[in-house]
Amino acid sequence: SAVISQKPSRDICQRGTSLTIQCQVDSQVTMMFWYRQQPGQSLTLIATANQGSEATYESGFVIDKFPISRPNLTFSTLTVSNMSPEDSSIYLCSVAGTSAYNEQFFGPGTRLTVL
Amino acid sequence: QKEVEQNSGPLSVPEGAIASLNCTYSDRVSQSFFWYRQYSGKSPELIMSIYSNGDKEDGRFTAQLNKASQYVSLLIRDSQPSDSATYLCAVNPYSSASKIIFGSGTRLSIRP
Repeated sequence: SAVISQKPSRDICQRGTSLTIQCQVDSQVTMMFWYRQQPGQSLTLIATANQGSEATYESGFVIDKFPISRPNLTFSTLTVSNMSPEDSSIYLCSVAGTSAYNEQFFGPGTRLTVL
Repeated sequence: QKEVEQNSGPLSVPEGAIASLNCTYSDRVSQSFFWYRQYSGKSPELIMSIYSNGDKEDGRFTAQLNKASQYVSLLIRDSQPSDSATYLCAVNPYSSASKIIFGSGTRLSIRP
């Protein structure tokens, strides 16, 4: 499976500011995904990021709050904008595997705390 | 009804015993099913995938799928303290080929 890295691994931010999270993959992948995992909760898909097209957002998530870039097949960014304490969470990127069965592999995550 | 349902636990199992984790899903035409293991403070790790009815074994892990009952399970034989983690069931619904829907996870504790 692909090796996935995320930056930063953790951050503490003030409310009202924005943070951009980077996701780097060691091989070219078609589909990348961004998830949020709030404390004690399961994973919630924020959006699917395809290279060369706009990200597809899930219900409850909007581009103004979570803009995503996907400039090439190995890299994506997620920005958490105008943060509030409710945005405190772990943010995870994942990539689709190469089989026909749509498994996903996850990066190490970014732990965000908003004060 | 949640799309993927799991008992949140905690499930406590003695070391050396079999741990049995269960999951039900609502989309009858779902195609692929996954079990992820997540240690505290870490990201989910894919440990089993299953696509056809029946059992699939990999080392101490066995995944079982029954599409008619919309039920998937994970058995862990000879449970070790290192198996203590949250286990997430995930389903790839036919309605959206690329997405995976996660259950809320079952917390498993192996007691020595």
